Amino acid sequence: GENVEQHPSTLSVQEGDSAVIKCTYSDSASNYFPWYKQELGKRPQLIIDIRSNVGEKKDQRIAVTLNKTAKHFSLHITETQPEDSAVYFCAASRGSGGGADGLTFGKGTHLIIQP
Amino acid sequence: DVKVTQSSRYLVKRTGEKVFLECVQDMDHENMFWYRQDPGLGLRLIYFSYDVKMKEKGDIPEGYSVSREKKERFSLILESASTNQTSMYLCASSSYRALHFGNGTRLTVT
Repeated sequence: GENVEQHPSTLSVQEGDSAVIKCTYSDSASNYFPWYKQELGKRPQLIIDIRSNVGEKKDQRIAVTLNKTAKHFSLHITETQPEDSAVYFCAASRGSGGGADGLTFGKGTHLIIQP
Repeated sequence: DVKVTQSSRYLVKRTGEKVFLECVQDMDHENMFWYRQDPGLGLRLIYFSYDVKMKEKGDIPEGYSVSREKKERFSLILESASTNQTSMYLCASSSYRALHFGNGTRLTVT
């Protein structure tokens, strides 16, 4: 089955700086890569996703890049703000959305924005 | 807006008890999932279902079973609760776009 590795487990950045979280996956058949954000005490929510036919996708201050050859993908957050503080999870799937088989998640990155 | 409702936010049970965690979604989604969330381990898939009365094992099904008698409801069952099942349990349903999670049930087994 799929195995997703995520680094770092904790990331502390100054407010206004950029943050990068990296993930690798093992199943070359995976073609859908979402990122979920979980604020303290709340449910995980989808913030951005990318499919395998695209190398990069951007939505305001967040972007995701995908390198299928190397089987890794990354989340980039620019101009970080206090509300970006949360746990971020990457995931991989052969389907899309949740698919029929679910998502395999990384172990999460706790992003801390220092004022 | 998709709503996934888990019946209990907090639950305390004793070792050996049979435990039922209930989940209901209101978007007529076919696919439903149970995940377990532990610090440092992320979200791990326990069981999922893609249709009524259908179920599939996820990555960590041992000690759990599930029931899907109606499309909107997906139950997780701990046949004989053990202390290593103390965790946060998240139910989800999926659209084409995303997994939609419930608020979670924090289960403590003493």
